Amino acid sequence: DTAVSQTPKYLVTQMGNDKSIKCEQNLGHDTMYWYKQDSKKFLKIMFSYNNKELIINETVPNRFSPKSPDKAHLNLHINSLELGDSAVYFCASSLSGGGPNIQYFGAGTRLSVL
Amino acid sequence: GQNIDQPTEMTATEGAIVQINCTYQTSGFNGLFWYQQHAGEAPTFLSYNVLDGLEEKGRFSSFLSRSKGYSYLLLKELQMKDSASYLCAVRVSGNTPLVFGKGTRLSVIA
Repeated sequence: DTAVSQTPKYLVTQMGNDKSIKCEQNLGHDTMYWYKQDSKKFLKIMFSYNNKELIINETVPNRFSPKSPDKAHLNLHINSLELGDSAVYFCASSLSGGGPNIQYFGAGTRLSVL
Repeated sequence: GQNIDQPTEMTATEGAIVQINCTYQTSGFNGLFWYQQHAGEAPTFLSYNVLDGLEEKGRFSSFLSRSKGYSYLLLKELQMKDSASYLCAVRVSGNTPLVFGKGTRLSVIA
């Protein structure tokens, strides 16, 4: 069983469209994240949710809207896609509280905006 | 702001030892992580340091000096499959997301 799974793996779409990426984890974690990795391979946090509540929202355009229906899911909806949104989007999850709270990553969604 | 520096690229020979350095200047510190990322794949966890010293795990070891804001990842007995990017990341506080460096792309050659 895949621990952190994202769908779709590839997403090719036109500018101006709206798209969603889904993420699910079966690790029993209470915290989930969305990261963006650009063409230079720089991995940067976008959002963080703990127990379905938004706790971190970095400087991300409000065209990006995360939704967490429960602790095991964190979806990302993107409105009015722009060329600059082309990147790889990674979902991750971890436990919270004391300890290392290692983050485990999904396989990524490769978004290409044409 | 948060700043994490690591070399962009390194090349090493199969069977050799390589050390990848990472320096950080962050507003806080609650752990340093190393991840491995093969091209087109997800980052996978390698090691975690929160106290000064060396953590060893098979062919991989990671060192931390909090006073110097410095860590390194040591890879021994290099194999071709070790060719990948190695990401240094810091958790600044509590359960905040990781702040990543730009990664070091390691090429292992025969």
